Amino acid sequence: SQTIHQWPATLVQPVGSPLSLECTVEGTSNPNLYWYRQAAGRGLQLLFYSVGIGQISSEVPQNLSASRPQDRQFILSSKKLLLSDSGFYLCAWSREGGRAHEQFFGPGTRLTVL
Amino acid sequence: GENVEQHPSTLSVQEGDSAVIKCTYSDSASNYFPWYKQELGKGPQLIIDIRSNVGEKKDQRIAVTLNKTAKHFSLHITETQPEDSAVYFCAASGSYGQNFVFGPGTRLSVLP
Repeated sequence: SQTIHQWPATLVQPVGSPLSLECTVEGTSNPNLYWYRQAAGRGLQLLFYSVGIGQISSEVPQNLSASRPQDRQFILSSKKLLLSDSGFYLCAWSREGGRAHEQFFGPGTRLTVL
Repeated sequence: GENVEQHPSTLSVQEGDSAVIKCTYSDSASNYFPWYKQELGKGPQLIIDIRSNVGEKKDQRIAVTLNKTAKHFSLHITETQPEDSAVYFCAASGSYGQNFVFGPGTRLSVLP
């Protein structure tokens, strides 16, 4: 069966510090990978998606970047965090292919920037 | 691009009653419509989905209906239970099919 992991679960960082959130998927190959941000009491905003190693598409301009160094590893980074980067970050995966498929979400990382 | 609206934003029902959440979408090319349930502090989990070639789908107490002409779809939960309390999100696939646009969510409270 497939599983998706995210870490850390919670993170408190000062403004201006760097960020690295990691997501890994087990039990599948060539998944599509996604990073979402969820502000408190709000919906899910797609930040990045990837259909393969080194292939990253950004949905919104922002202070964050993403990388996919391995097939089942997706990393969200920032060089200098802003207060507005606080939120609940969710990684998700779906099966490859052009047809829309269910997205499976990880447990999330709650980031607080002070 | 796709835009998804969801109503109501909050919904309170008595245990045993039905709950209905409605979503509208703008892109007529969207063809996949999932519903997710998110409990506090957790990632969303799929509860039911429907594709554009189907008008209705049921899974026990949960059903989804789709009206492609009007571009709206709805989640129906019957015989609600306290454990149904959560935030529910609808989504629509983008024109390519890979990416979802989510609605803003509905906070459902089932009162015992």
